[in-house]
Amino acid sequence: DIQMTQSPSSLSASVGDRVTITCQASQDIGDYLNWYQQKPGKAPKLLIYDAFNLETGVPSRFSGSGSGTDFTFTISSLQPEDIATYFCQQYDTLPLTFGGGTKVEIK
Amino acid sequence: EVQIVESGGGLVKPGGSLRLSCAASGFSSSNAWMNWVRQGPGKGLDWVGRIKSRAEGGTTDYAGSVNGRFTISRDDSKNTLFLQMNSLEVEDTAVYYCVADIRRENCFDSWGQGTLVTVSS
Repeated sequence: DIQMTQSPSSLSASVGDRVTITCQASQDIGDYLNWYQQKPGKAPKLLIYDAFNLETGVPSRFSGSGSGTDFTFTISSLQPEDIATYFCQQYDTLPLTFGGGTKVEIK
Repeated sequence: EVQIVESGGGLVKPGGSLRLSCAASGFSSSNAWMNWVRQGPGKGLDWVGRIKSRAEGGTTDYAGSVNGRFTISRDDSKNTLFLQMNSLEVEDTAVYYCVADIRRENCFDSWGQGTLVTVSS
Protein backbone atom coordinates (compact mmCIF):
# COMPACT_ATOMS: atom_id res chain seq x y z
CA ASP A 1 0.00 0.00 0.00
CA ILE A 2 1.14 3.57 -0.65
CA GLN A 3 1.84 5.36 2.62
CA MET A 4 0.96 9.03 2.83
CA THR A 5 2.93 10.94 5.46
CA GLN A 6 1.58 14.32 6.47
CA SER A 7 3.38 16.91 8.51
CA PRO A 8 3.00 18.49 10.87
CA SER A 9 0.31 16.50 12.68
CA SER A 10 -0.90 19.72 14.25
CA LEU A 11 -0.12 23.41 14.11
CA SER A 12 -1.20 26.64 15.73
CA ALA A 13 -1.15 29.90 13.79
CA SER A 14 -2.58 33.38 13.99
CA VAL A 15 -5.37 34.78 11.85
CA GLY A 16 -3.81 36.09 8.66
CA ASP A 17 -0.80 33.78 8.80
CA ARG A 18 0.32 31.66 5.89
CA VAL A 19 -0.07 27.97 6.74
CA THR A 20 1.71 25.16 4.91
CA ILE A 21 1.12 21.43 5.21
CA THR A 22 3.18 18.80 3.45
CA CYS A 23 2.25 15.33 2.28
CA GLN A 24 4.82 12.78 1.16
CA ALA A 25 3.94 9.62 -0.73
CA SER A 26 5.95 6.42 -0.30
CA GLN A 27 6.18 6.12 -4.09
CA ASP A 28 5.60 8.24 -7.16
CA ILE A 29 1.89 9.06 -7.52
CA GLY A 30 2.16 11.67 -10.28
CA ASP A 31 -0.41 14.33 -9.50
CA TYR A 32 -3.07 11.89 -8.29
CA LEU A 33 -3.57 13.67 -5.00
CA ASN A 34 -6.51 15.34 -3.32
CA TRP A 35 -6.87 17.50 -0.20
CA TYR A 36 -9.84 17.50 2.17
CA GLN A 37 -10.96 19.67 5.07
CA GLN A 38 -12.82 18.15 8.00
CA LYS A 39 -14.41 20.37 10.62
CA PRO A 40 -15.26 18.86 14.03
CA GLY A 41 -18.28 16.59 13.91
CA LYS A 42 -18.66 16.98 10.14
CA ALA A 43 -17.89 14.94 7.08
CA PRO A 44 -14.78 15.83 5.09
CA LYS A 45 -15.04 18.25 2.19
CA LEU A 46 -13.01 18.13 -1.02
CA LEU A 47 -10.88 21.27 -1.44
CA ILE A 48 -8.18 20.44 -4.01
CA TYR A 49 -8.09 17.72 -6.66
CA ASP A 50 -5.30 16.53 -8.95
CA ALA A 51 -2.74 18.17 -6.67
CA PHE A 52 -3.49 21.80 -7.51
CA ASN A 53 -7.02 22.24 -8.88
CA LEU A 54 -9.42 24.17 -6.65
CA GLU A 55 -12.83 22.56 -6.23
CA THR A 56 -15.73 24.79 -7.26
CA GLY A 57 -16.76 27.19 -4.52
CA VAL A 58 -13.58 26.80 -2.47
CA PRO A 59 -11.94 30.12 -1.50
CA SER A 60 -8.83 31.05 -3.42
CA ARG A 61 -6.75 31.33 -0.24
CA PHE A 62 -6.45 27.54 -0.44
CA SER A 63 -3.94 26.10 -2.89
CA GLY A 64 -2.01 22.94 -3.63
CA SER A 65 1.19 22.10 -5.42
CA GLY A 66 3.63 19.30 -6.05
CA SER A 67 3.92 16.08 -7.99
CA GLY A 68 5.61 12.73 -7.72
CA THR A 69 6.14 12.12 -4.03
CA ASP A 70 6.10 15.57 -2.44
CA PHE A 71 3.06 17.79 -2.14
CA THR A 72 2.17 21.01 -0.37
CA PHE A 73 -1.14 22.46 0.77
CA THR A 74 -1.23 26.16 1.62
CA ILE A 75 -3.67 28.53 3.25
CA SER A 76 -2.41 31.96 2.21
CA SER A 77 -4.16 33.88 5.00
CA LEU A 78 -5.62 31.79 7.81
CA GLN A 79 -9.20 32.61 8.74
CA PRO A 80 -11.12 31.57 11.89
CA GLU A 81 -13.41 29.36 9.80
CA ASP A 82 -10.39 27.37 8.57
CA ILE A 83 -10.06 25.62 11.93
CA ALA A 84 -10.22 21.98 10.90
CA THR A 85 -8.21 18.87 10.19
CA TYR A 86 -6.79 18.55 6.69
CA PHE A 87 -6.11 15.27 4.93
CA CYS A 88 -4.30 14.36 1.74
CA GLN A 89 -5.39 11.32 -0.30
CA GLN A 90 -3.73 9.48 -3.16
CA TYR A 91 -5.58 7.71 -5.95
CA ASP A 92 -2.71 6.48 -8.08
CA THR A 93 -2.91 2.92 -6.77
CA LEU A 94 -5.44 0.81 -4.91
CA PRO A 95 -6.08 0.79 -2.06
CA LEU A 96 -6.84 4.51 -1.95
CA THR A 97 -5.03 5.89 1.06
CA PHE A 98 -5.09 9.02 3.19
CA GLY A 99 -2.51 10.91 5.14
CA GLY A 100 -2.83 10.93 8.92
CA GLY A 101 -4.20 14.47 8.99
CA THR A 102 -3.06 17.89 10.16
CA LYS A 103 -5.07 19.65 12.82
CA VAL A 104 -5.01 23.43 12.37
CA GLU A 105 -5.79 25.64 15.36
CA ILE A 106 -5.82 29.37 15.97
CA LYS A 107 -3.11 30.75 18.23
CA GLU B 1 -29.38 19.23 -4.58
CA VAL B 2 -27.16 16.24 -3.90
CA GLN B 3 -28.02 14.41 -0.70
CA ILE B 4 -26.49 11.26 0.72
CA VAL B 5 -27.96 9.66 3.83
CA GLU B 6 -26.50 6.62 5.56
CA SER B 7 -28.40 4.36 7.93
CA GLY B 8 -28.08 1.01 9.61
CA GLY B 9 -25.29 1.66 12.08
CA GLY B 10 -25.42 0.36 15.63
CA LEU B 11 -23.87 -1.90 18.24
CA VAL B 12 -22.86 -5.41 17.20
CA LYS B 13 -20.82 -8.13 18.86
CA PRO B 14 -17.50 -9.31 17.44
CA GLY B 15 -18.14 -11.89 14.75
CA GLY B 16 -21.54 -10.42 13.99
CA SER B 17 -22.95 -8.84 10.83
CA LEU B 18 -24.48 -5.52 9.91
CA ARG B 19 -25.78 -3.98 6.70
CA LEU B 20 -25.45 -0.28 6.06
CA SER B 21 -27.60 1.57 3.55
CA CYS B 22 -26.88 4.78 1.68
CA ALA B 23 -29.77 6.62 0.06
CA ALA B 24 -28.75 9.03 -2.68
CA SER B 25 -30.81 11.83 -4.15
CA GLY B 26 -30.14 14.68 -6.54
CA PHE B 27 -28.04 12.45 -8.77
CA SER B 28 -28.08 8.94 -10.14
CA SER B 29 -25.82 6.76 -8.03
CA SER B 30 -25.62 4.25 -10.87
CA ASN B 31 -23.72 6.87 -12.88
CA ALA B 32 -21.21 7.58 -10.12
CA TRP B 33 -18.42 5.67 -8.46
CA MET B 34 -19.68 5.12 -4.92
CA ASN B 35 -17.38 4.55 -1.97
CA TRP B 36 -17.42 3.71 1.70
CA VAL B 37 -14.86 5.53 3.85
CA ARG B 38 -14.62 5.02 7.60
CA GLN B 39 -13.12 6.91 10.49
CA GLY B 40 -12.32 5.26 13.78
CA PRO B 41 -12.84 7.25 17.00
CA GLY B 42 -10.29 10.06 17.06
CA LYS B 43 -8.55 8.59 14.04
CA GLY B 44 -7.94 9.39 10.38
CA LEU B 45 -9.79 8.37 7.25
CA ASP B 46 -9.71 4.82 5.93
CA TRP B 47 -11.05 3.87 2.50
CA VAL B 48 -13.15 0.70 2.73
CA GLY B 49 -14.12 0.05 -0.86
CA ARG B 50 -16.05 1.20 -3.91
CA ILE B 51 -18.40 0.19 -6.66
CA LYS B 52 -17.89 1.66 -10.10
CA SER B 53 -20.65 3.13 -12.22
CA ARG B 54 -22.96 0.87 -14.15
CA ALA B 55 -21.39 2.09 -17.39
CA GLU B 56 -18.04 0.81 -16.17
CA GLY B 57 -19.42 -2.55 -15.21
CA GLY B 58 -20.32 -1.87 -11.59
CA THR B 59 -17.20 -3.73 -10.43
CA THR B 60 -16.06 -3.52 -6.82
CA ASP B 61 -12.72 -2.97 -5.11
CA TYR B 62 -11.91 -3.32 -1.42
CA ALA B 63 -9.24 -2.47 1.09
CA GLY B 64 -7.25 -5.48 2.15
CA SER B 65 -8.45 -5.25 5.76
CA VAL B 66 -12.08 -5.86 4.74
CA ASN B 67 -11.68 -7.95 1.59
CA GLY B 68 -13.68 -11.16 1.94
CA ARG B 69 -15.68 -9.82 4.90
CA PHE B 70 -17.41 -6.74 3.44
CA THR B 71 -19.49 -6.54 0.26
CA ILE B 72 -20.67 -3.43 -1.56
CA SER B 73 -23.79 -3.61 -3.70
CA ARG B 74 -26.28 -1.26 -5.24
CA ASP B 75 -30.00 -1.16 -5.99
CA ASP B 76 -30.24 1.21 -8.92
CA SER B 77 -34.04 1.19 -8.85
CA LYS B 78 -33.90 2.74 -5.37
CA ASN B 79 -30.74 4.83 -5.91
CA THR B 80 -29.33 3.10 -2.86
CA LEU B 81 -25.94 1.67 -1.97
CA PHE B 82 -25.30 -1.06 0.59
CA LEU B 83 -22.38 -2.24 2.67
CA GLN B 84 -22.78 -5.77 4.00
CA MET B 85 -20.32 -6.28 6.84
CA ASN B 86 -19.67 -9.81 8.12
CA SER B 87 -17.25 -11.24 10.68
CA LEU B 88 -16.99 -7.85 12.32
CA GLU B 89 -13.99 -7.08 14.48
CA VAL B 90 -13.46 -4.53 17.24
CA GLU B 91 -11.14 -2.70 14.84
CA ASP B 92 -14.09 -2.10 12.49
CA THR B 93 -15.58 0.33 15.00
CA ALA B 94 -15.92 3.63 13.15
CA VAL B 95 -18.17 6.19 11.57
CA TYR B 96 -18.91 4.91 8.08
CA TYR B 97 -19.35 7.51 5.36
CA CYS B 98 -20.97 6.91 2.01
CA VAL B 99 -19.12 8.99 -0.57
CA ALA B 100 -19.85 9.71 -4.22
CA ASP B 101 -17.43 10.58 -7.00
CA ILE B 102 -19.95 12.61 -8.97
CA ARG B 103 -17.79 15.07 -10.89
CA ARG B 104 -14.53 13.14 -11.05
CA GLU B 105 -13.55 9.57 -10.42
CA ASN B 106 -11.43 9.00 -7.33
CA CYS B 107 -12.26 12.47 -6.00
CA PHE B 108 -14.63 12.17 -3.07
CA ASP B 109 -16.75 15.22 -3.81
CA SER B 110 -20.02 14.34 -2.05
CA TRP B 111 -20.24 12.86 1.45
CA GLY B 112 -23.03 11.65 3.66
CA GLN B 113 -23.16 12.55 7.35
CA GLY B 114 -21.95 9.12 8.42
CA THR B 115 -23.35 6.31 10.54
CA LEU B 116 -21.63 4.90 13.63
CA VAL B 117 -20.81 1.22 13.86
CA THR B 118 -19.62 -0.04 17.23
CA VAL B 119 -18.24 -3.56 17.53
CA SER B 120 -18.03 -4.58 21.16
CA SER B 121 -18.89 -7.47 23.42
